[in-house]
Amino acid sequence: ELKVEQNPLFLSMQEGKNYTIYCNYSTTSDRLYWYRQDPGKSLESLFVLLSNGAVKQEGRLMASLDTKARLSTLHITAAVHDLSATYFCAVGDGGSNYKLTFGKGTLLTVNP
Amino acid sequence: NAGVMQNPRHLVRRRGQEARLRCSPMKGHSHVYWYRQLPEEGLKFMVYLQKENIIDESGMPKERFSAEFPKEGPSILRIQQVVRGDSAAYFCASTAESSPLHFGNGTRLTVT
Repeated sequence: ELKVEQNPLFLSMQEGKNYTIYCNYSTTSDRLYWYRQDPGKSLESLFVLLSNGAVKQEGRLMASLDTKARLSTLHITAAVHDLSATYFCAVGDGGSNYKLTFGKGTLLTVNP
Repeated sequence: NAGVMQNPRHLVRRRGQEARLRCSPMKGHSHVYWYRQLPEEGLKFMVYLQKENIIDESGMPKERFSAEFPKEGPSILRIQQVVRGDSAAYFCASTAESSPLHFGNGTRLTVT
């Protein structure tokens, strides 16, 4: 059974600081997604990573994938309050593009 | 361009009642997926449907749960004889061919 673990689960940081969220998964997959969820809202797709060594950046967020280590990272640069949300990584089960296994999420709070 | 529409947003049912959750996919999308998010957990895949067909129901509980996507109208997730453990947020997602999942805002089911 595919397991996806994120850490940390809770992250409180100050504006302007950098930090990294880690996502480990238990079985081989070359399809990994990062989503953002605001309270009471749906999930917003941030990144789709489809190959070993893939790196994508959007604004202050950068995601990478190492399929050999079964690890993805979401790096936050110079955090701002608007980034406060819950971030989920999700892995395609058996490389599926719809049967995703999600981590528990990282609740990020950026303080002024 | 409306996104994935789910209703109701909140649903309260007493134990033993039936719950019906509705999902209208994005315009042009013919693939619908249902996910469940238990408190403080990541989303878990339940079922994948196309019009009038269940493609993959490997994540559906064996009893009391059913899903359909008729030729006309929204997809329906039906839970019979609800129990407290069914309390969760139920998310619907849709895709066109090979596109990332687009999620709706979810239905939060509370069983009292």
